[in-house]
Amino acid sequence: QSALTQPASVSGSPGQSITISCTGISSDVGGYRFVSWYQHHPGKAPKLMIYKVSNRPSGVSNRFSGSKSGNTASLTISGLQAEDEADYYCSSYTSGTTPVVFGGGTKLTVL
Amino acid sequence: QVQLQESGPGLVKPSGTLSLTCAVSGGSISSSNWWSWVRQPPGKGLEWIGEIYHSGSTNYNPSLKSRVIISVDKSKNQFSLKLSSVTAADTAIYYCARFDGDLATIDYWGQGTLVTVSS
Repeated sequence: QSALTQPASVSGSPGQSITISCTGISSDVGGYRFVSWYQHHPGKAPKLMIYKVSNRPSGVSNRFSGSKSGNTASLTISGLQAEDEADYYCSSYTSGTTPVVFGGGTKLTVL
Repeated sequence: QVQLQESGPGLVKPSGTLSLTCAVSGGSISSSNWWSWVRQPPGKGLEWIGEIYHSGSTNYNPSLKSRVIISVDKSKNQFSLKLSSVTAADTAIYYCARFDGDLATIDYWGQGTLVTVSS
């Protein structure tokens, strides 16, 4: 069981928007603005899409955005494209026994 | 562009030691970052294993601490993972990664390598 809770799967049609949630507790997601999101196409290296809740690294499309409310962070992808189909993972800094914890991952299907 | 590449045996016998190396290119392992290992068992989420700084300072996941050693070789710009007394539960895709401590994020990952524990 992962430390952060994500839905197992989400889906959307091309052009639509989807949101993936990532729920933690006060000692991780709720207590810090250090939430990240990663995109993972199986067999390839995961790619950082969002850091510090809502910041995009250089080169990441502005169709990807992040937010946080309380113990839940969210990743929104607007204008869905076929290449967005991938697994998405969240992570958060934590005051626990490890510096970072991860979500279980969400499989995004573009219909 | 920093790139990381894992290498090592894909099959390890139970009770043996899993050994992996991560070669870093496009950047120096002596930069102000922590170098990490993360794993993903089949059908499960990601698990942080541990990290090392170029000075040799390490941090380990308490659940694995008694079995893990992470080391760094600055002359080869690489770092390594050793996990001893492995069981089938250690079967996973193992990723090496660069952790930016200021942003508390992994900004670069390797593509991962599957290690199976089986006789």
